[in-house]
Amino acid sequence: RKEVEQDPGPFNVPEGATVAFNCTYSNSASQSFFWYRQDCRKEPKLLMSVYSSGNEDGRFTAQLNRASQYISLLIRDSKLSDSATYLCVVNPSGSGGYQKVTFGTGTKLQVIP
Amino acid sequence: DAGVIQSPRHEVTEMGQEVTLRCKPISGHNSLFWYRQTMMRGLELLIYFNNNVPIDDSGMPEDRFSAKMPNASFSTLKIQPSEPRDSAVYFCASSLYGGRVIKETQYFGPGTRLLVL
Repeated sequence: RKEVEQDPGPFNVPEGATVAFNCTYSNSASQSFFWYRQDCRKEPKLLMSVYSSGNEDGRFTAQLNRASQYISLLIRDSKLSDSATYLCVVNPSGSGGYQKVTFGTGTKLQVIP
Repeated sequence: DAGVIQSPRHEVTEMGQEVTLRCKPISGHNSLFWYRQTMMRGLELLIYFNNNVPIDDSGMPEDRFSAKMPNASFSTLKIQPSEPRDSAVYFCASSLYGGRVIKETQYFGPGTRLLVL
């Protein structure tokens, strides 16, 4: 089983729709979780961290489910500018305390006019 | 404030040639990462430096790959000899590591697109 797994998509959704992505991780001791966004032919950029209590940033909500070992990203009122690949990132604990994060292969979102 | 700077942005070379990729991390950051991204394998960590010292190079594919960080503001990733399967986008990222399991952001450079013919 891969350390971090994502549905590659693409998810094609109309403008204004709500879309959700999940990401599963294999190491139950993992402590830090993130969502990064990567536009076509660009570098990844941090979208948001994922906290145990969940967190929200405008139209974006990230949640963590430790029991089932997955994190989710919910995007409400999708905009054309949300079209990108969303990378799930996990930092497993026990890695000497440093930031050896593992990136998922990404979920591609295409918002359609 | 300048972000992570990488050069060259694009590199086309022939099999067997030496390739050197360069990275300047964000000033003040003490952690530097080299990643490789391909369609098939996604983003893979090649090597991680902390305070200019290589901490984890388990992701370096083979002896043809080497990385150095002679000072806090410069790092190189060298491939010698290069092979067509090395074709990928190579990203450098930096962050400020606080000494514990952290939530600090990794800031990526624009990447170097390498094509080995």
